[in-house]
Amino acid sequence: QSALTQPPSASESPGQSVTISCTGTSSDVGAYNYVSWYQQHPGKAPKLLIYEVTKRPSGVPDRFSGSKSGNTASLTVSGVLAEDEADYYCSSYGGSSTFWVFGGGTKLTVL
Amino acid sequence: QVQLQESGPGLVKPSQTLSLTCTVSGGSISSSNFYWTWIRQHPGKGLEWIGYIHYSGSTYYNPSLRSRVSISVDTSKNQFSLKLSSVTAADTAVYYCARDSEAAGNVDSWGQGTLVTISS
Repeated sequence: QSALTQPPSASESPGQSVTISCTGTSSDVGAYNYVSWYQQHPGKAPKLLIYEVTKRPSGVPDRFSGSKSGNTASLTVSGVLAEDEADYYCSSYGGSSTFWVFGGGTKLTVL
Repeated sequence: QVQLQESGPGLVKPSQTLSLTCTVSGGSISSSNFYWTWIRQHPGKGLEWIGYIHYSGSTYYNPSLRSRVSISVDTSKNQFSLKLSSVTAADTAVYYCARDSEAAGNVDSWGQGTLVTISS
């Protein structure tokens, strides 16, 4: 069982917006502004989309945005494209004894 | 653009030690900003952080694996390595090496991953 809870699946039509949640605890997501999001296409390595809750690495489209409220972080994909169909994982720092934990992943289907 | 490449046996027997090496090219492993990371993914499952190392030798491990894992760095070869002892079938996974900037979960560069199967 993963430390962070994500919905197993999400779906949306092209051009619409979708939000994926990532629920942790007051010891990880709620305690630190170190939440990251990764996109993984089948057979490929994950790709960093968001780090430190809201920051986007260079080259990541601004369609991807991150936020956090309490113990829950969220990834929003605005104007979903067919190429966004992939698995999405969140991760959070959990302190100096736990370090980094991941969510179980959300499979995004573009209808 | 830094590149990372995992290498090592794809098949390991139960109770033996899994050993993988990650070769870093296009950048120095001795940069102070980076933590060199191992992450694994069980077949069809999610990601699991194994641990990371700074070029200075400081290491940090997942507490659930700490008793069996060791990560080391060879700055002369621009490589870092993973050893996982007493493996079982539950350690069968794709193992990724990666780079974390500032140890802030900014894992911005990944190897392609290598499947390691634990079987007799």
